[in-house]
Amino acid sequence: QQQVKQSPQSLIVQKGGISIINCAYENTAFDYFPWYQQFPGKGPALLIAIRPDVSEKKEGRFTISFNKSAKQFSLHIMDSQPGDSATYFCAASMAFGNEKLTFGTGTRLTIIP
Amino acid sequence: DAGVIQSPRHEVTEMGQEVTLRCKPISGHDYLFWYRQTMMRGLELLIYFNNNVPIDDSGMPEDRFSAKMPNASFSTLKIQPSEPRDSAVYFCASRQKGTANYGYTFGSGTRLTVV
Repeated sequence: QQQVKQSPQSLIVQKGGISIINCAYENTAFDYFPWYQQFPGKGPALLIAIRPDVSEKKEGRFTISFNKSAKQFSLHIMDSQPGDSATYFCAASMAFGNEKLTFGTGTRLTIIP
Repeated sequence: DAGVIQSPRHEVTEMGQEVTLRCKPISGHDYLFWYRQTMMRGLELLIYFNNNVPIDDSGMPEDRFSAKMPNASFSTLKIQPSEPRDSAVYFCASRQKGTANYGYTFGSGTRLTVV
């Protein structure tokens, strides 16, 4: 049972553009929604996370938008750079992240010059 | 801090052979997770431990898979006998309780190929 659905599977964006990755969840008990970034040959690393009491969280060029009623959240990367090329995973957890993480299927992002 | 250390980085084995993957979590972290990553299924949680005790092994695909954590600094994931469909990248991750905002720390993974 896939509890976190992620789209698109792959994304190509021009340098300087906005990259948008979307996720939807089913379990209303989820209350912690992180995004992980993975480079080839490496394990995923936490990028940014949000709790459902806020609708948006911004850290530098990275923003999470959260829509509790629609059970959706998204990652926006502003001014996308070639160094942002990686695979991005959304995830969800209960107990504010103190329970196990359930990951989406990943989005391979490529930033072209 | 050396991070989460996994060994070996690559493993190629023949079908039917036993495979043992190893993980050393970050010192002081009391949660340890084993994930499997494939193109088709993404990142799947296999099992996780809290204070060396297995908490949830519902993701372990079948009896051929077993995991142990004999102490706070070492865990193994064993596949016996291995099959070609077990080919994947296996990640170990650790976390300290109460530090959810800092996320999981993943190792660099073990790429397993079963031929």
